[in-house]
Amino acid sequence: AQSVTQPDIHITVSEGASLELRCNYSYGATPYLFWYVQSPGQGLQLLLKYFSGDTLVQGIKGFEAEFKRSQSSFNLRKPSVHWSDAAEYFCAVGARSSGGYNKLIFGAGTRLAVHP
Amino acid sequence: EAGVTQFPSHSVIEKGQTVTLRCDPISGHDNLYWYRRVMGKEIKFLLHFVKESKQDESGMPNNRFLAERTGGTYSTLKVQPAELEDSGVYFCASSQGVRSPTQYFGPGTRLTVL
Repeated sequence: AQSVTQPDIHITVSEGASLELRCNYSYGATPYLFWYVQSPGQGLQLLLKYFSGDTLVQGIKGFEAEFKRSQSSFNLRKPSVHWSDAAEYFCAVGARSSGGYNKLIFGAGTRLAVHP
Repeated sequence: EAGVTQFPSHSVIEKGQTVTLRCDPISGHDNLYWYRRVMGKEIKFLLHFVKESKQDESGMPNNRFLAERTGGTYSTLKVQPAELEDSGVYFCASSQGVRSPTQYFGPGTRLTVL
C-alpha cells in the first residue's frame, strides 16, 4: 500500500539557519511527489513537485527537494530560513492510474517553528 | 485567474444537524477532489470527480456523506446528520486533466460539530 512518512512532527530552527524536512514514501512505481505548505489561517499551497527527470527540484520561496529513489525519500531543504517560513509542511505522493491521476496520500505533516 | 474557493470558511453546528460545504474549482479543471483532516491526523482523501462523474469515492467515511458536482462545475459535500467525529477541516482541490497530476487546494472549511 502507498504511504508517506514524515518522521518529524515538530521542528524548531533559528532564523537564518538551514532546514531539512524529511519525507519517505512507499510506492510501487515511480511516484509523483509533492510538498505543500499550510501557513496559519491559510490553505495548502504547492511548494514544489517531482514527476521525472532532474532529481533536484526547485520550488517557490527558495525551497528545493531532492528525490532519492534508492532511499525512497523526497526531503525538503532551504539554506536559510525566514521567520515567515513558520508553517506546517506536508509531503504527498500521487498515484497514477490507467484513467489518469487520482488521490494524493499525505504524510502527517511537520510543524516548523522559527526562532528569531 | 481565481484559485479554488470554498464556502463557508467555518461552520459550527449541533450534532444531528445538516451541513453543506461548497467548492468552486479553478475554471476549466475537470478533476475535483475532497479531502479531510481530522484534528491531529493526516489529510485523508474522500473522493474524486472527473467532470460530473465520481471517479473514486473510496475514502467517503459512510453514507452520511453525499457529494455532488452539478454540471461538472462546483461541488457540494453534504453531511447529514452530522456527528462529533465529523469535525475537522475539509479541503477541496482541483486539477486540469488526465495529464496534469498537480492538485491545487482551496483554503478549506473548518467544521465543528458540537
